[in-house]
Amino acid sequence: KNEVEQSPQNLTAQEGEFITINCSYSVGISALHWLQQHPGGGIVSLFMLSSGKKKHGRLIATINIQEKHSSLHITASHPRDSAVYICAGDSGSARQLTFGSGTQLTVLP
Amino acid sequence: GAGVSQTPSNKVTEKGKYVELRCDPISGHTALYWYRQSLGQGPEFLIYFQGTGAADDSGLPNDRFFAVRPEGSVSTLKIQRTERGDSAVYLCASSLTSGPWEQFFGPGTRLTVL
Repeated sequence: KNEVEQSPQNLTAQEGEFITINCSYSVGISALHWLQQHPGGGIVSLFMLSSGKKKHGRLIATINIQEKHSSLHITASHPRDSAVYICAGDSGSARQLTFGSGTQLTVLP
Repeated sequence: GAGVSQTPSNKVTEKGKYVELRCDPISGHTALYWYRQSLGQGPEFLIYFQGTGAADDSGLPNDRFFAVRPEGSVSTLKIQRTERGDSAVYLCASSLTSGPWEQFFGPGTRLTVL
């Protein structure tokens, strides 16, 4: 069974801090997605990566295929970054996503 | 362009009733996914369509759940004899095709079974 585990479950930071959220996944997952979910349920795709590193603004995602581990970093965090961050692995012929349990991030002003 | 839309945004029903949830994917996206998210948990896969056919329905919890996509665009998730445990947010996502493509999510339908 494909599994995705992420940590921490909850994270509180002060504005400006560097944030890291970690994700480990099992064999069989070929690409890793990082998603952001705001209150009310809307999910936005941040990154999809199967190797290396991607950067978009203050967000950086990395993946280590050998270790089956990915991290999402937020530099210079801001209260508007407060949301649930979810990693998800896609697998199988359907590429359906297997989701981690999410990290509730709260950035305090 | 328009994103993925889902209707209704909220649905309250009584135990035992039948409900239909609609998803309108991004135009041109052949792959469509349904997920279910219970309170405090990550979404779980229900069913995947490639075009008109249900290519993978392994996530449907039981035979009360059924989904269709007759013309390869709009999809309807149908739940018969609803139970309180069916209460969740039902999410639809579409992508250009199957494969390692970004999935675009709709806002979800919050189903409450009383």
